[in-house]
This record gives sequence, C-alpha cells and structure tokens, in this order.
Amino acid sequence: EIVLTQSPTTMAASPGEKVTLTCRASSSVSYMHWYQQKSGASPKLWIYDTSHRTSGVPNRFSGSGSGTSYSLTISSMETEDAATYYCQQWNSNPLTFGSGTKLEIK
Amino acid sequence: QIQLVQSGPELKKPGESVKISCKASGYTFTDYAMHWVKQAPGKGLKWMGWINTYTGKPTYAADFKGRFVFSLEASASTANLQISNLKNEDTATYFCARIYYYSSFVMDAWGQGASVTVSS
Repeated sequence: EIVLTQSPTTMAASPGEKVTLTCRASSSVSYMHWYQQKSGASPKLWIYDTSHRTSGVPNRFSGSGSGTSYSLTISSMETEDAATYYCQQWNSNPLTFGSGTKLEIK
Repeated sequence: QIQLVQSGPELKKPGESVKISCKASGYTFTDYAMHWVKQAPGKGLKWMGWINTYTGKPTYAADFKGRFVFSLEASASTANLQISNLKNEDTATYFCARIYYYSSFVMDAWGQGASVTVSS
C-alpha cells in the first residue's frame, strides 16, 4: 500500500501569504490529485494529474511534483481558501488518501 | 449538471443493518464507476472500494470486506452501500463519488454524504 504523508498537519496563513502544502508518497506515483474539503461539506476535486486545476479553481492555486514528492501551492492566501486539503493516488491498489492538511486563516 | 444525491441520516443500534443510496443524474450512469469513501467524525478520508456500474462487479478495500456490500439499481441510476452487523466504529459519513479518468483516475463528483450514527 502506498502511504501518503501530508505536511504540515495544520497551519495558519495570513491573507496574501504564499502557502505550500506537501504530500510525500512511500513509493513513486505517476500522478497526484488534490481535494478541498470545507467543514460540513463533501470533498471537491481541486487539482488533478498533479498540476491541472479543476474548472472554477482560482489560478492562485498550482500543483507540482513527481515521483514521491508533490505539493500544492497558493500564491496568495485568501479567506475562502481555509479548508482541509487531501492528496490522493491510485497508481497502485489500494487507492489511498493522505491524512490531510488543515489550512486556517490567520 | 452532474449530481449525486445520497439518502438521509441514519441512527442505528449495534448489530443492526443500514442501506445508503446514491442517485446519479446528469450523465450516463453505467459509463462511470462509483466509489465509496468513509469519513469518521473529525477524521480523514478512507477509501472503501468501488463498483463497476456496467457489470455490477464490486471491489472492496481490505478493511471493508465482509460486512459491506455495494450494489446497484442501474435502471434507477442508483448505487447502494449496505452495512450489516453495525459497530460503534461504523459511525461516520459515507460518500459516494464518481470516478473519472484524465491521465489517472480521480473522483470528480461527490454526493453530499450520508451520516450513520451507531449507538445503543
């Protein structure tokens, strides 16, 4: 099973601040996907195939990485970006999620 | 637009069974597999497995073999999750999610979640 380790577990950022969330895989994967989940809501596909934003996702969000190291970056934090972000892979069975990074506004 | 609408909250006692439904609309149901994801209170997402909506064949993650059953009512564009012999640790929100393929498989549409509370 590929274990995805996200860091940090929790963080707070000020409006306008650059934010980088990290997801490390225990084995190499071809692609990483990211979901945003706000409290009480279902997750939303946010970035797919490592670097592609889903329709409607602001361009301040970007994804990058390869092999075992991936990241999601927010170029300038906004209040609405406060949420939990999960990475996910299905390079090999079983499909796995990271444990999430809770991003709060400072 | 694509919608997955799940059934309402359930309160059950240990040992009972529960059936959660997920009705799809806005696309051809049998063209896309359906996945199930568990989220315990205050916890992260855990993949339960998936069902091929064309053949009806289910695939279960290791932790969800035995008491969990995925099924279809294809004529009604509905996927179901049944959990038998409920335990306290089954208390969670259960999501259905459509799988879509770009260069890899992702869950591009999610139900609103169905809350199951198991308590004596």
